[in-house]
Amino acid sequence: KAGVTQTPRYLIKTRGQQVTLSCSPISGHRSVSWYQQTPGQGLQFLFEYFSETQRNKGNFPGRFSGRQFSNSRSEMNVSTLELGDSALYLCASSLGVGETQYFGPGTRLLVL
Amino acid sequence: EDQVTQSPEALRLQEGESSSLNCSYTVSGLRGLFWYRQDPGKGPEFLFTLYSAGEEKEKERLKATLTKKESFLHITAPKPEDSATYLCAVQARGSSNTGKLIFGQGTTLQVKP
Repeated sequence: KAGVTQTPRYLIKTRGQQVTLSCSPISGHRSVSWYQQTPGQGLQFLFEYFSETQRNKGNFPGRFSGRQFSNSRSEMNVSTLELGDSALYLCASSLGVGETQYFGPGTRLLVL
Repeated sequence: EDQVTQSPEALRLQEGESSSLNCSYTVSGLRGLFWYRQDPGKGPEFLFTLYSAGEEKEKERLKATLTKKESFLHITAPKPEDSATYLCAVQARGSSNTGKLIFGQGTTLQVKP
Protein backbone atom coordinates (compact mmCIF):
# COMPACT_ATOMS: atom_id res chain seq x y z
CA LYS A 1 0.00 0.00 0.00
CA ALA A 2 1.45 3.37 -0.97
CA GLY A 3 2.20 5.74 1.87
CA VAL A 4 1.41 9.42 2.22
CA THR A 5 2.91 11.45 -0.59
CA GLN A 6 3.75 15.13 -0.53
CA THR A 7 4.73 17.44 -3.34
CA PRO A 8 6.95 19.21 -3.89
CA ARG A 9 9.66 17.84 -1.63
CA TYR A 10 11.69 21.05 -1.64
CA LEU A 11 10.82 24.68 -2.25
CA ILE A 12 12.73 27.94 -2.19
CA LYS A 13 10.68 31.13 -2.08
CA THR A 14 11.30 34.78 -1.26
CA ARG A 15 9.58 36.90 1.35
CA GLY A 16 6.15 38.10 0.29
CA GLN A 17 5.49 35.24 -2.11
CA GLN A 18 2.86 32.59 -1.58
CA VAL A 19 3.18 28.82 -1.73
CA THR A 20 0.86 25.82 -2.12
CA LEU A 21 1.80 22.39 -0.79
CA SER A 22 0.02 19.19 -1.73
CA CYS A 23 -0.68 15.97 0.15
CA SER A 24 -2.12 12.66 -1.05
CA PRO A 25 -3.22 10.42 1.84
CA ILE A 26 -2.98 6.67 2.10
CA SER A 27 -5.74 5.05 0.05
CA GLY A 28 -8.90 4.79 2.14
CA HIS A 29 -7.83 7.39 4.67
CA ARG A 30 -10.29 10.25 4.99
CA SER A 31 -8.61 12.43 7.60
CA VAL A 32 -5.62 14.64 6.82
CA SER A 33 -3.65 16.76 9.28
CA TRP A 34 -0.83 19.22 8.69
CA TYR A 35 2.09 20.03 10.99
CA GLN A 36 4.97 22.46 10.90
CA GLN A 37 8.35 21.28 12.18
CA THR A 38 11.16 23.69 13.10
CA PRO A 39 14.29 23.15 15.22
CA GLY A 40 13.09 25.65 17.83
CA GLN A 41 9.39 24.79 18.15
CA GLY A 42 9.36 21.14 17.16
CA LEU A 43 6.21 19.73 15.60
CA GLN A 44 3.21 22.04 15.80
CA PHE A 45 -0.33 21.33 14.63
CA LEU A 46 -1.65 23.43 11.74
CA PHE A 47 -5.00 21.98 10.63
CA GLU A 48 -7.10 18.87 10.45
CA TYR A 49 -9.56 17.94 7.70
CA PHE A 50 -12.14 15.21 7.43
CA SER A 51 -14.63 14.81 4.59
CA GLU A 52 -13.65 18.18 3.12
CA THR A 53 -14.37 19.97 6.42
CA GLN A 54 -11.81 21.64 8.64
CA ARG A 55 -12.22 20.01 12.05
CA ASN A 56 -9.56 21.90 13.94
CA LYS A 57 -7.03 24.67 13.45
CA GLY A 58 -3.81 25.36 15.31
CA ASN A 59 -2.52 28.65 16.61
CA PHE A 60 -1.16 30.05 13.35
CA PRO A 61 -1.92 33.34 11.59
CA GLY A 62 -4.55 33.59 8.90
CA ARG A 63 -1.82 33.51 6.23
CA PHE A 64 -1.93 29.74 6.69
CA SER A 65 -4.91 28.08 5.07
CA GLY A 66 -5.85 24.70 3.73
CA ARG A 67 -8.52 22.64 2.10
CA GLN A 68 -9.44 19.05 1.39
CA PHE A 69 -10.93 17.68 -1.79
CA SER A 70 -13.57 15.00 -2.30
CA ASN A 71 -10.86 12.38 -2.99
CA SER A 72 -9.32 13.24 0.44
CA ARG A 73 -6.28 14.91 -1.11
CA SER A 74 -5.34 18.09 0.69
CA GLU A 75 -3.51 21.31 0.01
CA MET A 76 -2.18 23.98 2.29
CA ASN A 77 -1.37 27.53 1.30
CA VAL A 78 0.84 30.10 2.93
CA SER A 79 0.49 33.67 1.68
CA THR A 80 2.85 36.59 2.17
CA LEU A 81 5.73 34.37 3.22
CA GLU A 82 8.00 35.41 6.07
CA LEU A 83 11.50 34.21 6.91
CA GLY A 84 10.10 32.44 9.95
CA ASP A 85 7.92 30.24 7.74
CA SER A 86 11.01 28.25 6.75
CA ALA A 87 10.29 24.77 8.03
CA LEU A 88 9.49 21.17 7.22
CA TYR A 89 5.76 20.89 6.52
CA LEU A 90 4.39 17.45 7.29
CA CYS A 91 1.13 15.91 6.23
CA ALA A 92 -0.37 12.96 8.07
CA SER A 93 -3.35 10.81 7.16
CA SER A 94 -5.58 8.53 9.20
CA LEU A 95 -8.64 6.38 8.61
CA GLY A 96 -10.73 8.75 10.66
CA VAL A 97 -10.51 11.48 13.25
CA GLY A 98 -8.62 10.28 16.31
CA GLU A 99 -7.10 7.27 14.57
CA THR A 100 -3.35 6.65 14.25
CA GLN A 101 -1.74 9.19 11.93
CA TYR A 102 0.82 8.18 9.31
CA PHE A 103 3.18 10.85 8.09
CA GLY A 104 4.50 11.71 4.67
CA PRO A 105 8.12 12.65 3.92
CA GLY A 106 7.39 16.37 4.23
CA THR A 107 8.00 19.45 2.12
CA ARG A 108 11.09 21.44 3.03
CA LEU A 109 10.33 25.16 2.54
CA LEU A 110 13.10 27.74 2.61
CA VAL A 111 12.11 31.41 2.58
CA LEU A 112 14.85 33.85 1.56
CA GLU B 1 -2.75 23.45 29.03
CA ASP B 2 -1.98 20.13 27.38
CA GLN B 3 1.75 19.50 27.38
CA VAL B 4 4.30 16.79 26.58
CA THR B 5 7.88 16.73 27.91
CA GLN B 6 10.50 14.23 26.78
CA SER B 7 13.76 13.39 28.49
CA PRO B 8 16.62 13.21 27.98
CA GLU B 9 17.00 15.53 24.98
CA ALA B 10 19.91 13.44 23.72
CA LEU B 11 21.20 9.99 24.59
CA ARG B 12 24.37 8.23 23.52
CA LEU B 13 24.59 4.48 23.99
CA GLN B 14 27.06 1.79 23.10
CA GLU B 15 25.70 -1.01 20.97
CA GLY B 16 24.01 -3.51 23.30
CA GLU B 17 23.58 -1.00 26.16
CA SER B 18 19.88 -0.95 27.09
CA SER B 19 18.13 2.22 28.25
CA SER B 20 14.79 4.02 28.50
CA LEU B 21 13.34 7.23 27.10
CA ASN B 22 10.76 9.15 29.11
CA CYS B 23 7.64 11.01 28.00
CA SER B 24 5.71 12.94 30.67
CA TYR B 25 2.34 14.41 29.77
CA THR B 26 -0.41 16.57 31.17
CA VAL B 27 -3.63 16.42 29.21
CA SER B 28 -7.30 16.97 29.89
CA GLY B 29 -8.24 13.35 29.38
CA LEU B 30 -5.98 11.08 27.35
CA ARG B 31 -7.40 9.60 24.18
CA GLY B 32 -4.10 8.06 23.06
CA LEU B 33 -0.32 8.31 23.34
CA PHE B 34 1.81 7.76 20.26
CA TRP B 35 5.48 7.01 19.70
CA TYR B 36 7.17 7.87 16.41
CA ARG B 37 10.71 7.50 15.11
CA GLN B 38 12.15 10.18 12.83
CA ASP B 39 15.32 9.89 10.76
CA PRO B 40 17.05 13.06 9.53
CA GLY B 41 15.25 14.65 6.58
CA LYS B 42 12.31 12.22 6.77
CA GLY B 43 8.80 12.23 8.16
CA PRO B 44 8.00 10.54 11.48
CA GLU B 45 7.49 6.78 11.28
CA PHE B 46 4.75 5.32 13.47
CA LEU B 47 5.86 2.90 16.19
CA PHE B 48 3.15 2.43 18.85
CA THR B 49 -0.20 3.63 20.14
CA LEU B 50 -1.10 3.24 23.82
CA TYR B 51 -4.56 4.00 25.18
CA SER B 52 -4.73 3.18 28.87
CA ALA B 53 -2.50 2.97 31.93
CA GLY B 54 -0.81 -0.40 32.26
CA GLU B 55 -0.79 -1.05 28.54
CA GLU B 56 2.44 -2.30 26.96
CA LYS B 57 3.45 -2.86 23.33
CA GLU B 58 6.58 -4.40 21.83
CA LYS B 59 8.28 -4.37 18.46
CA GLU B 60 11.70 -5.95 17.97
CA ARG B 61 14.05 -4.19 20.45
CA LEU B 62 11.47 -1.58 21.50
CA LYS B 63 8.88 -1.75 24.24
CA ALA B 64 6.49 1.06 25.14
CA THR B 65 4.66 1.34 28.46
CA LEU B 66 2.07 3.78 29.79
CA THR B 67 1.10 5.08 33.22
CA LYS B 68 -1.35 7.83 34.13
CA LYS B 69 1.34 10.50 33.89
CA GLU B 70 4.11 9.18 31.67
CA SER B 71 5.23 6.71 29.07
CA PHE B 72 8.53 4.94 28.65
CA LEU B 73 10.17 3.64 25.51
CA HIS B 74 12.55 0.87 26.52
CA ILE B 75 15.32 -0.03 24.07
CA THR B 76 16.89 -3.42 24.66
CA ALA B 77 20.36 -4.19 23.23
CA PRO B 78 20.22 -1.34 20.71
CA LYS B 79 22.00 -1.44 17.36
CA PRO B 80 23.44 1.49 15.38
CA GLU B 81 20.41 1.40 13.07
CA ASP B 82 18.24 2.37 16.07
CA SER B 83 19.88 5.81 15.98
CA ALA B 84 17.12 8.37 15.33
CA THR B 85 14.95 10.96 17.06
CA TYR B 86 12.10 9.42 19.01
CA LEU B 87 8.96 11.53 19.31
CA CYS B 88 6.12 11.18 21.78
CA ALA B 89 2.70 12.70 21.11
CA VAL B 90 -0.69 12.72 22.85
CA GLN B 91 -4.26 13.14 21.70
CA ALA B 92 -6.58 14.78 24.18
CA ARG B 93 -10.13 13.66 24.77
CA GLY B 94 -11.78 17.04 24.54
CA SER B 95 -15.28 18.31 23.91
CA SER B 96 -14.56 18.49 20.18
CA ASN B 97 -13.76 15.35 18.24
CA THR B 98 -10.25 16.05 16.98
CA GLY B 99 -7.19 14.03 16.17
CA LYS B 100 -4.77 16.87 16.92
CA LEU B 101 -1.42 15.52 18.12
CA ILE B 102 0.58 17.41 20.75
CA PHE B 103 4.25 16.52 20.41
CA GLY B 104 7.19 16.56 22.78
CA GLN B 105 10.54 17.93 21.64
CA GLY B 106 11.94 14.47 21.05
CA THR B 107 14.91 12.43 22.26
CA THR B 108 17.80 12.06 19.83
CA LEU B 109 19.39 8.64 20.27
CA GLN B 110 22.84 7.78 18.98
CA VAL B 111 24.02 4.18 19.21
CA LYS B 112 27.71 3.65 18.65
CA PRO B 113 29.10 0.32 17.41
